[in-house]
Amino acid sequence: DQQVKQNSPSLSVQEGRISILNCDYTNSMFDYFLWYKKYPAEGPTFLISISSIKDKNEDGRFTVFLNKSAKHLSLHIVPSQPGDSAVYFCAASKGTYKYIFGTGTRLKVLA
Amino acid sequence: DGGITQSPKYLFRKEGQNVTLSCEQNLNHDAMYWYRQDPGQGLRLIYYSQIVNDFQKGDIAEGYSVSREKKESFPLTVTSAQKNPTAFYLCASFAGGYSGNTIYFGEGSWLTVV
Repeated sequence: DQQVKQNSPSLSVQEGRISILNCDYTNSMFDYFLWYKKYPAEGPTFLISISSIKDKNEDGRFTVFLNKSAKHLSLHIVPSQPGDSAVYFCAASKGTYKYIFGTGTRLKVLA
Repeated sequence: DGGITQSPKYLFRKEGQNVTLSCEQNLNHDAMYWYRQDPGQGLRLIYYSQIVNDFQKGDIAEGYSVSREKKESFPLTVTSAQKNPTAFYLCASFAGGYSGNTIYFGEGSWLTVV
């Protein structure tokens, strides 16, 4: 039972354009969401988070949007840069220490 | 520098052997985790520990064991009972409260069964 889903395994975007990575979840009790970026053979690095009491959080080029009614969150990267090419994971928790990760989306930013 | 240190980076194991992956953190975090990554399957939780001397099974705990005798350390043993142990293993710790609810990861350990 995959509670957190990233249905697009890969995405290609032209440099300078917007990248939109999507994440869907099934458990309405999830109240905190994280996005991570991962390069091959390295540990994921934290990008941005959002609490369920908000619908948007912004940090520089990264913005996360949360639609609780649709159980959907998205990560926007504007403008996209070649260094953004990596695998992106979303993760969710429901007030505990246990985080559930999605399967990841591989982003490729074309120069 | 504060962080999470995993060792070894690469490990080869013969079938039937137990191996232990080390994870040390100097971030003073209470909670620690072990995840496994397989191609196309994202990160799956093996075990997690909220405090010293306490730990809980994650989604794929069978064939693994952990201990949490010290706050800084959370070693993972991959036992011979784990049917498909070849994977990339990630240790993490959790900063909650005023530090933000964020998980920090180590650099990972590659385990290959030969």
